[in-house]
Amino acid sequence: ETGVTQSPTHLIKTRGQQVTLRCSSQSGHNTVSWYQQALGQGPQFIFQYYREEENGRGNFPPRFSGLQFPNYSSELNVNALELDDSALYLCASSSVGGGGYTFGSGTRLTVV
Amino acid sequence: KNEVEQSPQNLTAQEGEFITINCSYSVGISALHWLQQHPGGGIVSLFMLSSGKKKHGRLIATINIQEKHSSLHITASHPRDSAVYICAVNVGGTSYGKLTFGQGTILTVHP
Repeated sequence: ETGVTQSPTHLIKTRGQQVTLRCSSQSGHNTVSWYQQALGQGPQFIFQYYREEENGRGNFPPRFSGLQFPNYSSELNVNALELDDSALYLCASSSVGGGGYTFGSGTRLTVV
Repeated sequence: KNEVEQSPQNLTAQEGEFITINCSYSVGISALHWLQQHPGGGIVSLFMLSSGKKKHGRLIATINIQEKHSSLHITASHPRDSAVYICAVNVGGTSYGKLTFGQGTILTVHP
């Protein structure tokens, strides 16, 4: 098992900038989901990717976008960063065949 | 009202105590998950349930589909069990899609 790796682990950006976060997929998994977790809150679903296409989206504006690559890894892009985007961003891989989720350790984004 | 509610929000125990964390949900689900989150942020999946009961070591998870309720029990608690425990559900027909999370229960176990 390779697990799920997220990079970078920490990031500080300035309001208005753009950021790209990366996530590998657990071996054998073919979907990747992204979540935003504000301090003291439960994670909120941003979107999921399957077969390189968005397969469900939560209540997040279009400046949150993503990609999935042929090796099932994924990127989360956030444009025009706002202070409220400061959070822990988690990705989780899963398989449409079932079997649960594997989570990464997260990327802590701070917008100043 | 959140679709997934956990109780208690905070729980303090002495080492060796039996611990119960509860989760109630208000929607139809295909699966319920118990997750553990340590201070660094990473989440570990403990259980995935669609019915009945599962046990792994000192952890036991149960679900009652009719009552829309699940419990996570920790027997003989230990300080290393200190973490945030989160209940999450797959709403609807798939067990690989969007997860809806509860707020989490902060567990502290003192030696």
